[in-house]
Amino acid sequence: SAVISQKPSRDICQRGTSLTIQCQVDSQVTMMFWYRQQPGQSLTLIATANQGSEATYESGFVIDKFPISRPNLTFSTLTVSNMSPEDSSIYLCSVMGGGGGTDTQYFGPGTRLTVL
Amino acid sequence: EDQVTQSPEALRLQEGESSSLNCSYTVSGLRGLFWYRQDPGKGPEFLFTLYSAGEEKEKERLKATLTKKESFLHITAPKPEDSATYLCAVQAGDYKLSFGAGTTVTVRA
Repeated sequence: SAVISQKPSRDICQRGTSLTIQCQVDSQVTMMFWYRQQPGQSLTLIATANQGSEATYESGFVIDKFPISRPNLTFSTLTVSNMSPEDSSIYLCSVMGGGGGTDTQYFGPGTRLTVL
Repeated sequence: EDQVTQSPEALRLQEGESSSLNCSYTVSGLRGLFWYRQDPGKGPEFLFTLYSAGEEKEKERLKATLTKKESFLHITAPKPEDSATYLCAVQAGDYKLSFGAGTTVTVRA
């Protein structure tokens, strides 16, 4: 399976600021996704990161709040903009279509974000 | 809308005490049902994919089965290192995953 890294692993931010999270994969993958896991809850899909075009957002998530880039087949970024304490969560990227199979999603280690 | 319900929410087992976790689902056009393991502070770790009713897969002390409405994850003779949250997710034709809330398993020595 693909090896996925995320930066930063954790951060503490002030209300009103923005944070960009990076996701790097060691091989080319077909699809990349961004999820949010709020404290004590399961994973919720934020968006599908499309290579070379605008991301596809799920209901309840908008580009102005969570801009996403995917410049190539191994890298993506998620920005959490104008943060509030409600944005405190673990943010996870996942990839699909690497060496492990065509439809299995593999997850990165996550970025733990705390907003004060 | 896809729905995934896992039960129980939490499961406390004695080492060696076998048990099962349930994942019931409703989805339009199931592409696959996935089981993941998540340890505290880490991302989900892939365990199994099941594609059709009647399918079974095994890995060490874990065995996953699938029917048309639910999936079971059986843990046989668990050890303390099997303690984790087990997540079930369904994938429809658009490849997106919808997750259940998870079952937190604690195995005591």
